[in-house]
Amino acid sequence: GAVVSQHPSWVICKSGTSVKIECRSLDFQATTMFWYRQFPKQSLMLMATSNEGSKATYEQGVEKDKFLINHASLTLSTLTVTSAHPEDSSFYICSARVPGTASTDTQYFGPGTRLTVL
Amino acid sequence: EDKVVQSPLSLVVHEGDTVTLNCSYEVTNFRSLLWYKQEKKAPTFLFMLTSSGIEKKSGRLSSILDKKELFSILNITATQTGDSAVYLCAPNTNAGKSTFGDGTTLTVKP
Repeated sequence: GAVVSQHPSWVICKSGTSVKIECRSLDFQATTMFWYRQFPKQSLMLMATSNEGSKATYEQGVEKDKFLINHASLTLSTLTVTSAHPEDSSFYICSARVPGTASTDTQYFGPGTRLTVL
Repeated sequence: EDKVVQSPLSLVVHEGDTVTLNCSYEVTNFRSLLWYKQEKKAPTFLFMLTSSGIEKKSGRLSSILDKKELFSILNITATQTGDSAVYLCAPNTNAGKSTFGDGTTLTVKP
């Protein structure tokens, strides 16, 4: 199946700094990537939809100025958490969409990035 | 607003037992429903269901969708300790967007 990588896999940073997370589709092109956040013992919450060459679409309640998303190429989307605070500590997961018919349209998940803000 | 409810929220069984996990949903522009297994990292794909009444099977796991009643079930027979995980269901829309349920935490004891 398709492979999606994320980098870094974990990061610890000081409060107030910015952190960039990369999501790459390794063996396919993804016009759409999704960014999720998952807090401990909770489900995945969609943060934004990232479309190559256009602005990301953010879900309600997600600050677009705080979570900057760039999808500059068909294989790379980045999420930058700006001025991170301890409450931003979470597991961030990206997925890349492989569009198709109803029975083939699916998403492949990256391994996730665990962010800890001190 | 799209809604996904999974039940039970948690389940503890012994090896060899059979379990049924439930997922009900209300989603605009529904296209398919996906089941995932999540252990320590990101979810891994189990099934994609698009048509009502057609069971999908993979080893001891099977799943079925009812688009009229808006629910799906995931069955695991002869459970093993390696089945312990959080099982997530996620209806998918025409735009490819998925809404995840809170998951069912399954613990299989030896």
